[in-house]
Amino acid sequence: AQSVAQPEDQVNVAEGNPLTVKCTYSVSGNPYLFWYVQYPNRGLQFLLKYITGDNLVKGSYGFEAEFNKSQTSFHLKKPSALVSDSALYFCAVRALSSNTGKLIFGQGTTLQVKP
Amino acid sequence: DGGITQSPKYLFRKEGQNVTLSCEQNLNHDAMYWYRQDPGQGLRLIYYSQIVNDFQKGDIAEGYSVSREKKESFPLTVTSAQKNPTAFYLCASRADRGDRQPQHFGDGTRLSIL
Repeated sequence: AQSVAQPEDQVNVAEGNPLTVKCTYSVSGNPYLFWYVQYPNRGLQFLLKYITGDNLVKGSYGFEAEFNKSQTSFHLKKPSALVSDSALYFCAVRALSSNTGKLIFGQGTTLQVKP
Repeated sequence: DGGITQSPKYLFRKEGQNVTLSCEQNLNHDAMYWYRQDPGQGLRLIYYSQIVNDFQKGDIAEGYSVSREKKESFPLTVTSAQKNPTAFYLCASRADRGDRQPQHFGDGTRLSIL
């Protein structure tokens, strides 16, 4: 069965420090992986995706993610956190049924950036 | 501006009542999705539609119904059979160019029981 795990419910970092939000996946075949961010009472905003190619993917707002096939991970990173990065972050993987666009989401990680 | 509009933002349901959540998109996307979000559980797929007049059940379709009569509209009805409807409901769409494209989300409807 395909699945996505975000092992940390919450991540706390100080403003200006690097941040990492972890994601591991279990899929059959080649994974399509996505990161989204959600602010309170809002919908999800797309940050970045990995389909194929370079393992380091750059996305919106200075975020990047590293695809590691051997560790089945797709961790989200940012070199210098901002207070405004505080939000709920979701990792997602394409479901096995191709061309339906169905995604399987992790349970989310709350990022708190303190001044 | 292109986007997805969900309405209302807040909705209250009485016992035994059906309620309908609206989702409209002007992105010219073929595929549309409905998710339910509960705290600590991520998003769970209720229904999805890849083309007008066709839709498929997701993982938690019981107690819900949908229609897709127009490309831009994908309303969700929460029926009285859904015994625990309190949740945040999110609608999404995706351009139908294969499943490499991300989904775009509306700002959600929060449904509560009166």
